Amino acid sequence: QVQLVQSGAEVKKPGASVKVSCKASGYTFTSYFMHWVRQAPGQGLEWMGVINPSGGSTSYAQKFQGRVTMTRDTSTSTVYMELSSLRSEDTAVYYCAKRSSGYYWYFDLWGRGTLVTVSS
Amino acid sequence: DIQMTQSPSSLSASVGDRVTITCRASQSISSYLNWYQQTPGKAPKLLIYAVSSLESGVPSRVSGSGSGTDFTLTISSLQPEDFATYYCQQTYSTPYTFGQGTKLEI
Repeated sequence: QVQLVQSGAEVKKPGASVKVSCKASGYTFTSYFMHWVRQAPGQGLEWMGVINPSGGSTSYAQKFQGRVTMTRDTSTSTVYMELSSLRSEDTAVYYCAKRSSGYYWYFDLWGRGTLVTVSS
Repeated sequence: DIQMTQSPSSLSASVGDRVTITCRASQSISSYLNWYQQTPGKAPKLLIYAVSSLESGVPSRVSGSGSGTDFTLTISSLQPEDFATYYCQQTYSTPYTFGQGTKLEI
């Protein structure tokens, strides 16, 4: 079935890096851009960036430029989001979300989220 | 960046009530406006896309309207499962920003 399966929760120390995976199934992986959105505890949704699974091109929110890297592995239909130089403010649930087709587009499929906790 | 401002931030209502949530963009976003519903511990769920198009499976008591910079989400005759947090999102230009959310409480 059509789904996005994310990796499990992570606990990291400040200054470390985390790499979250998102495995797609049930659709043509390379046909739809994949986005990452995060949500700090009790807070709203924050767009982080997007990757084109076909060519691997990326676009990141200015806030995360230099700290985030999004990659993909077409052989396993998996996208990755790596965030470095972690600080306590990065504690959040990280979601991958698939872009829809069409001109006026939206996120039509979400992963369940991966909780990343940054704590010393 | 395009700022998305929702109002109110929270709203108390009862089953059977009609509620309206507004979302204002800091610049015109054409029809690149979506609404999501989120319940605690779950990923957001799409309700409305392109201002007023109802996602498959979403009940018809949910509707969206607006244009340019001002948009509304209306839920007529609230049901228990509607008590959640609602977010608007613009997909006009990066960064694809969300509103701060509206928590709908009983």
